[in-house]
Amino acid sequence: DVKVTQSSRYLVKRTGEKVFLECVQDMDHENMFWYRQDPGLGLRLIYFSYDVKMKEKGDIPEGYSVSREKKERFSLILESASTNQTSMYLCASGRRYEQYFGPGTRLTVT
Amino acid sequence: RKEVEQDPGPFNVPEGATVAFNCTYSNSASQSFFWYRQDCRKEPKLLMSVYSSGNEDGRFTAQLNRASQYISLLIRDSKLSDSATYLCVVNPPGRRALTFGSGTRLQVQP
Repeated sequence: DVKVTQSSRYLVKRTGEKVFLECVQDMDHENMFWYRQDPGLGLRLIYFSYDVKMKEKGDIPEGYSVSREKKERFSLILESASTNQTSMYLCASGRRYEQYFGPGTRLTVT
Repeated sequence: RKEVEQDPGPFNVPEGATVAFNCTYSNSASQSFFWYRQDCRKEPKLLMSVYSSGNEDGRFTAQLNRASQYISLLIRDSKLSDSATYLCVVNPPGRRALTFGSGTRLQVQP
């Protein structure tokens, strides 16, 4: 069974803090993705990576960066958290079309 | 215009009913289409791919209409366990990642 794990289910941070969200997959997938999900807006792609140290911007990369030093791990970084980054963050890995999602991290920025 | 548009619903149907959702996509050159399912407070999971010739998996049938640029999902003999949000997913040309619709919520009632 494919497993994608995320470091936290719930996180509360203050405005201006640097936030790290970690994602680990155990299926040796080349591709990994970070999305945020907001009511009425659906899943929006922030960044994805198709190989170690390779990354590509998604639809809403502003205010975020990513790191992929090892194949199984993909980190999302909020350099200076803001209240409009309060959201559900979902990591996924997989082949191009079949993506396996982690359980999500609900981040609240106060 | 959004790349992928769905009626958010909710669609409230009795058990045993047949229900259908449509989803429209804006890029006529899109090649790959999928339906994902997301249960309440859970991560999305691939339900089925949508092929040009249609695709059937048990009670679920997916169809593609290229001329009108929409895909559909038909669920026959609805079960309570079918209650979920159904996400329409498209892979536009020249893009490595998928584009998700914001979902259609289905509530099957006893």
